[in-house]
Amino acid sequence: DADVTQTPRNRITKTGKRIMLECSQTKGHDRMYWYRQDPGLGLRLIYYSFDVKDINKGEISDGYSVSRQAQAKFSLSLESAIPNQTALYFCATSAPDTDTQYFGPGTRLTVL
Amino acid sequence: GQSLEQPSEVTAVEGAIVQINCTYQTSGFYGLSWYQQHDGGAPTFLSYNGLDGLEETGRFSSFLSRSDSYGYLLLQELQMKDSASYFCAVRPLNRDDKIIFGKGTRLHILP
Repeated sequence: DADVTQTPRNRITKTGKRIMLECSQTKGHDRMYWYRQDPGLGLRLIYYSFDVKDINKGEISDGYSVSRQAQAKFSLSLESAIPNQTALYFCATSAPDTDTQYFGPGTRLTVL
Repeated sequence: GQSLEQPSEVTAVEGAIVQINCTYQTSGFYGLSWYQQHDGGAPTFLSYNGLDGLEETGRFSSFLSRSDSYGYLLLQELQMKDSASYFCAVRPLNRDDKIIFGKGTRLHILP
C-alpha cells in the first residue's frame, strides 16, 4: 500500500464550484504539505502543516484553504474554482528536521 | 530572496554520462537534494548532500560546493528509463521545514 495517497486522482469541474482534494499518509509524519505544479514552474508551496493545530501559508495560498483533520489527513479546498487553478496538485510529508519529502501520486485538476 | 537555477532541458545519448547543474542564491541551507519525476508521476527523492563533495548511489552521483553556490547531479550509463525531470531543492536555515525547489530540468535521452 502506498504511504501517501490522494483522492481524487483526476477531477474536472466548472468555474465557481467548491472542490476538496484529500491526502492521507501512513508514514507517521507530522509535517504535511500541499504543492501545485504547472509546466515550467516547478513545485510551488500552497500550504503546510506541522501538526493538527499548526497550519501555515505557502507562497501561493490565495484562493485555497486547508484542513488538518488528523495527523494523517490534510485536505486542500478551492472555495470557488477558477480556470487558472487548473494544475497538478501534490501532497507531501516529511519527518522533522529532514530534507526528504515523500509525495503522493498527485491530483490532476481541470477547471472549465 | 532564495532561488535555484537549473537548465530547463538537457539531451543526452543512451549509455552516455550527463550532468545537470543547479546554482542557487540562498542565505543558508541544510543541504542540497535531488528529486526525479517521470511523466505522470510523483517526485521521488534521489539524493542528498549535507556536506561539500560527492555522494554516489549506483549510477547516480550528486555534488555540492557551498563556496561556489553550486551543485550537480551526475547520471552515468544512461538508460531510456532515466528520461524524466530532475529537481534540485534546498531546506533553508530558520525557515521551518519548507523546501524550495528549482523549476526542474527535463532530461531527454536519445537511443
